Amino acid sequence: KQEVTQIPAALSVPEGENLVLNCSFTDSAIYNLQWFRQDPGKGLTSLLLIQSSQREQTSGRLNASLDKSSGRSTLYIAASQPGDSATYLCAVDASNDYKLSFGAGTTVTVRA
Amino acid sequence: DGGITQSPKYLFRKEGQNVTLSCEQNLNHDAMYWYRQDPGQGLRLIYYSQIVNDFQKGDIAEGYSVSREKKESFPLTVTSAQKNPTAFYLCASGQGATTGELFFGEGSRLTVL
Repeated sequence: KQEVTQIPAALSVPEGENLVLNCSFTDSAIYNLQWFRQDPGKGLTSLLLIQSSQREQTSGRLNASLDKSSGRSTLYIAASQPGDSATYLCAVDASNDYKLSFGAGTTVTVRA
Repeated sequence: DGGITQSPKYLFRKEGQNVTLSCEQNLNHDAMYWYRQDPGQGLRLIYYSQIVNDFQKGDIAEGYSVSREKKESFPLTVTSAQKNPTAFYLCASGQGATTGELFFGEGSRLTVL
């Protein structure tokens, strides 16, 4: 069974600092990996989707890398802002059967 | 606007009652999902459907039921058999297993009194 881990569970940084969020998974035979953002009491918003054939994806200040062989993905957020405060979750599609395995998330606080 | 609509946003239930959570999407997606989220845990899959009139159990289906009579609708019933139903429920849809992103609704918070 695919296990997805996100460490640390919480992170606090001053505004302007770059954020590095980690996601690890146990089965490297994945089809894709997706990063989401969740604000308190809200649903999930898709940030980046990395297909298994890709090494990274970028969108604005966000960059996500994927290393299947080591079972890791990293989400980088450049020049963090207070509006980036949220919980960030990663999810892995490992079985091509329409199911994703989610990590518990990293809650980020960006201090003004 | 295109998206996924969940209702109600908040729901209170007495023990022993069944409740139904609504999920509607206008994205023309084939696949729809129900997840449960508890504090400090990742999302856990309850049920999913790849096509109309077909659905499969996820990891925690006991005490829940679903139907998929229309492509745009995937309601979830939380039955009295669900021993710990208080949670945040999230509906999602996607175009395919390996090609597309997963899109989520705003969630429904169920509290059992």
